[in-house]
Amino acid sequence: QSVLTQPPSVSAAPGQEVTISCSGSSSNIGNHYVSWYQQLPGTTPKLLIYENNKRPSGIPDRFSGSKSGTSATLGITGLQTGDEADYYCGTWDASLTAGVFGGGTKLTVL
Amino acid sequence: EVQLVESGGDLVQPGRSLRLSCTGSGLTFDDSYMTWVRQAPGKGLEWLGFIRSKTAGGTTAYAASVKGRFTISRDDSKNIAYLQMSSLKTEDTAVYFCSRWVPTIEKIDFWGQGTLVTVSS
Repeated sequence: QSVLTQPPSVSAAPGQEVTISCSGSSSNIGNHYVSWYQQLPGTTPKLLIYENNKRPSGIPDRFSGSKSGTSATLGITGLQTGDEADYYCGTWDASLTAGVFGGGTKLTVL
Repeated sequence: EVQLVESGGDLVQPGRSLRLSCTGSGLTFDDSYMTWVRQAPGKGLEWLGFIRSKTAGGTTAYAASVKGRFTISRDDSKNIAYLQMSSLKTEDTAVYFCSRWVPTIEKIDFWGQGTLVTVSS
């Protein structure tokens, strides 16, 4: 059981938008920055969002992040088939004194 | 270009030990917190631990699931981070990723390609 809770899967049609939630607690999301990682099939994870809502260079603005209280959300607009991947949220947990990830969400673009 | 290259993955019997290496280039290795993350087949990411930079004390932090069995160390003269794994169990079978943790903003910004460890008799 992951410390951070994500839905196992989400789906939407090409061109539509989707959101992926990540729920935690005050020991992690509530008091720490959230990052999001994209893992395309058969590849290594890649940083998608950091500091809750910032995008690294090269990440299109179709991807966005937000945080409120002990939850965070990844938003993807203008869905493309190439967005099909597993998405993970991650942060630091002060109680565990360890990094933590969500269980991952599989995005299907129908 | 930053590169993190893991090596040392192998098929190993339960109860045995194995050491993984991660060689970094294109980054200020000695200033970096080096982190290990694993992914069991068909499963999600699991943070294992990190080693702080020498200037930050060079100390380590581990996930509860591996504390006492896994040890992370570093050799900054060679730009290498190590993951020493002992008393391996079948459930340690996974791809092991080396990565860099940025502590001030709590992100992993660079990942290696991973190395496969299979624990089986």
